[in-house]
Amino acid sequence: GAGVSQSPSNKVTEKGKDVELRCDPISGHTALYWYRQRLGQGLEFLIYFQGNSAPDKSGLPSDRFSAERTGESVSTLTIQRTQQEDSAVYLCASSLGLREKLFFGSGTQLSVL
Amino acid sequence: SQQGEEDPQALSIQEGENATMNCSYKTSINNLQWYRQNSGRGLVHLILIRSNEREKHSGRLRVTLDTSKKSSSLLITASRAADTASYFCATDGGTSYGKLTFGQGTILTVHP
Repeated sequence: GAGVSQSPSNKVTEKGKDVELRCDPISGHTALYWYRQRLGQGLEFLIYFQGNSAPDKSGLPSDRFSAERTGESVSTLTIQRTQQEDSAVYLCASSLGLREKLFFGSGTQLSVL
Repeated sequence: SQQGEEDPQALSIQEGENATMNCSYKTSINNLQWYRQNSGRGLVHLILIRSNEREKHSGRLRVTLDTSKKSSSLLITASRAADTASYFCATDGGTSYGKLTFGQGTILTVHP
């Protein structure tokens, strides 16, 4: 596609429910990143995938968070048993490889009530 | 832990003036990147500077890197109201290969 696509753009959920966020990277991009951004804050690294290598999960804040990527295409970020502190914009980015510039999607605004 | 830290947190200038934002980091890096964000959603890449480079230009943007001081600066010359946005530096290095760590950002407001 022309750019990184994320869906949904907005998600409102109730505390305790599970949510799944989707990211479609730019075709041919081997690296894919997930970040979280709370209101007025910087980007918090969550996880990245690079080709067939094991993902770097060092930024996932708890075991309620998990992510998967199918080959070098779509990725899903799953948050189980959502909490109010999970409310944030979740940003996905892809790049041609590690240590290259990132192309960001427009993000998913998650609101946990 | 935070790698890049921007300074100042907020900057307000008039159109036509230059804007300078600074970024400091703690560990050795492979490269440093600057991004721009409008309205709290997707970021747009501006410039990437590698650790063996000292200065790069792109249009009205000039980025410098001083690895001895572990700092970088972004200069926007002849600013325009459309430059109003948040600007972030991001560093790639330290112990995590490929992990790009962002700072808290500088909010730039350019008044017409």
